[in-house]
Amino acid sequence: GAGVSQSPSNKVTEKGKDVELRCDPISGHTALYWYRQSLGQGLEFLIYFQGNSAPDKSGLPSDRFSAERTGGSVSTLTIQRTQQEDSAVYLCASSSSQETQYFGPGTRLLVL
Amino acid sequence: AQSVTQLGSHVSVSEGALVLLRCNYSSSVPPYLFWYVQYPNQGLQLLLKYTSAATLVKGINGFEAEFKKSETSFHLTKPSAHMSDAAEYFCAVYRGSTLGRLYFGRGTQLTVWP
Repeated sequence: GAGVSQSPSNKVTEKGKDVELRCDPISGHTALYWYRQSLGQGLEFLIYFQGNSAPDKSGLPSDRFSAERTGGSVSTLTIQRTQQEDSAVYLCASSSSQETQYFGPGTRLLVL
Repeated sequence: AQSVTQLGSHVSVSEGALVLLRCNYSSSVPPYLFWYVQYPNQGLQLLLKYTSAATLVKGINGFEAEFKKSETSFHLTKPSAHMSDAAEYFCAVYRGSTLGRLYFGRGTQLTVWP
């Protein structure tokens, strides 16, 4: 079956611009996660959506980062006024049983 | 507090040799442990998971891991390395539904020499 998909696969932007990253989870998965992977920082948790509950935003690094999940399915991660330190791979994962997460291919963001 | 520690950021083995990637977890976490593999320019792929059903867990591509509570370890092994095993490997722990997220180790880059 279809796995987690993310778009775009690569994004190059200029410092100060806003970017939107999209995640399509596996159909029927109620939980959705965003992580960031950057050199020297490893895999960092950003945000977690579970069903209709309020999201866990505890990993968002600043108020420039936000995410929403519409209709309990697709999620968009928005980074406003991008900075060079935002350059990273942004990974999305989804889960039906909470403990097992399935990852998408990631979006590689480069801020010039 | 660090939940997962991977010992050795880089491991090199010859093709056909034993692969051993080390992972230790915090003793306070519940026993949901995972190994993921990441090939270049790809996302994370689940190799195997431990959810308390059996201490020796078999995964894909010939990998297995043994949960040892007394040593708080969950080391990943493969009897005979193949060139295609070259990748980065991540150990992760799930600490329960109230927290939701996975806690990852820093990763181990595996190089396989011909």
